[in-house]
Amino acid sequence: DTGVSQDPRHKITKRGQNVTFRCDPISEHNRLYWYRQTLGQGPEFLTYFQNEAQLEKSRLLSDRFSAERPKGSFSTLEIQRTEQGDSAMYLCASSSETGDQSDTQYFGPGTRLTVL
Amino acid sequence: AQSVTQPDIHITVSEGASLELRCNYSYGATPYLFWYVQSPGQGLQLLLKYFSGDTLVQGIKGFEAEFKRSQSSFNLRKPSVHWSDAAEYFCAVGVDFGNEKLTFGTGTRLTIIP
Repeated sequence: DTGVSQDPRHKITKRGQNVTFRCDPISEHNRLYWYRQTLGQGPEFLTYFQNEAQLEKSRLLSDRFSAERPKGSFSTLEIQRTEQGDSAMYLCASSSETGDQSDTQYFGPGTRLTVL
Repeated sequence: AQSVTQPDIHITVSEGASLELRCNYSYGATPYLFWYVQSPGQGLQLLLKYFSGDTLVQGIKGFEAEFKRSQSSFNLRKPSVHWSDAAEYFCAVGVDFGNEKLTFGTGTRLTIIP
């Protein structure tokens, strides 16, 4: 069990540029979640996948945001035309439907995005 | 909709002293409750969780939490803190068995003084 990994750990971009983040969940986990955390706040839910299906999206996920999980393994989160308000830590988590740790979300280290 | 309140933004305790971090939730049924810890610039580590059964749950690093339905609370406790416990602590609630999304409180920052 190598844990949830995220890449990159830090991203600095200029306003208007597109960015893409990757998340690799724990290998046997079929559920994957994206959260956003701004300074001084708790994480806020963005979206959730079960296998390759995106089952829920928060209203926080504007049209500039898109998430995919094409083969039910890793996931990408893309932000188009970044704005300064997108600056935040983007956290990925995964969980399993089965086993004694089922339905517990395990988080990755996050990707910190700074939009200049 | 469910919500979580952590009334203490920042708590300072002396090393070796006891600790209690407060968490109150709002939800109409029995929630699934979690405590996570976050060190600066890092992701969240699960400390403990409550799904059902015994209302006093034990977690890692010597932490425990007690679910009190009558008070809608899930306070985190530790009898003797260590300097390495300094971090941000988040309480979270999940309302579906699949925990499709967690709702987090705003966190409590814990400072340990020698």
